[in-house]
Amino acid sequence: SQQGEEDPQALSIQEGENATMNCSYKTSINNLQWYRQNSGRGLVHLILIRSNEREKHSGRLRVTLDTSKKSSSLLITASRAADTASYFCATDSGGSYIPTFGRGTSLIVHP
Amino acid sequence: KAGVTQTPRYLIKTRGQQVTLSCSPISGHRSVSWYQQTPGQGLQFLFEYFSETQRNKGNFPGRFSGRQFSNSRSEMNVSTLELGDSALYLCASRPSTGNTEAFFGQGTRLTVV
Repeated sequence: SQQGEEDPQALSIQEGENATMNCSYKTSINNLQWYRQNSGRGLVHLILIRSNEREKHSGRLRVTLDTSKKSSSLLITASRAADTASYFCATDSGGSYIPTFGRGTSLIVHP
Repeated sequence: KAGVTQTPRYLIKTRGQQVTLSCSPISGHRSVSWYQQTPGQGLQFLFEYFSETQRNKGNFPGRFSGRQFSNSRSEMNVSTLELGDSALYLCASRPSTGNTEAFFGQGTRLTVV
């Protein structure tokens, strides 16, 4: 069963625009991660934010975490066509550090 | 350092057959997890192996099984294949069970006809 659910399911933007994806989850977590998947391939880890952190940056990526609302957002600034992919949030909780994934947001960036 | 290697990349099987998929984790990683990805269900956790022992298991029928060898390589087996088993099977390795960041292979695309 999914712990996290991404929103929106699909997002279509123009190159240069910012893309924001959201993730909501149900139970308390240890960590929240974001992964990217290019069509039909493996997932690539983007960024990890711990439950005691509120914001993290990595290059053009900005992740926020609001544990009171059980939600996270991923912002990709100045999107490029190469950012076209599916983006997944993953959470782990309790004594298990196994990431549990949402269904993902499909991002299309038009050149 | 070589990444996670999954073989084969593509597989076509007939209903009722069985299949074995292989995963070689990143050198030094001892935890291997398997996921099934389908359009309808998304990424579903199958099981995790660490030190040749199954540590965690998802909600899949007993037709899905796996094992891990002393060199941390892992195999998963699906017996009596059903059409619904058609999916992308992803393997992920982690240094140990206490790390959450997972490194994924390219997956094996299984089609059951």
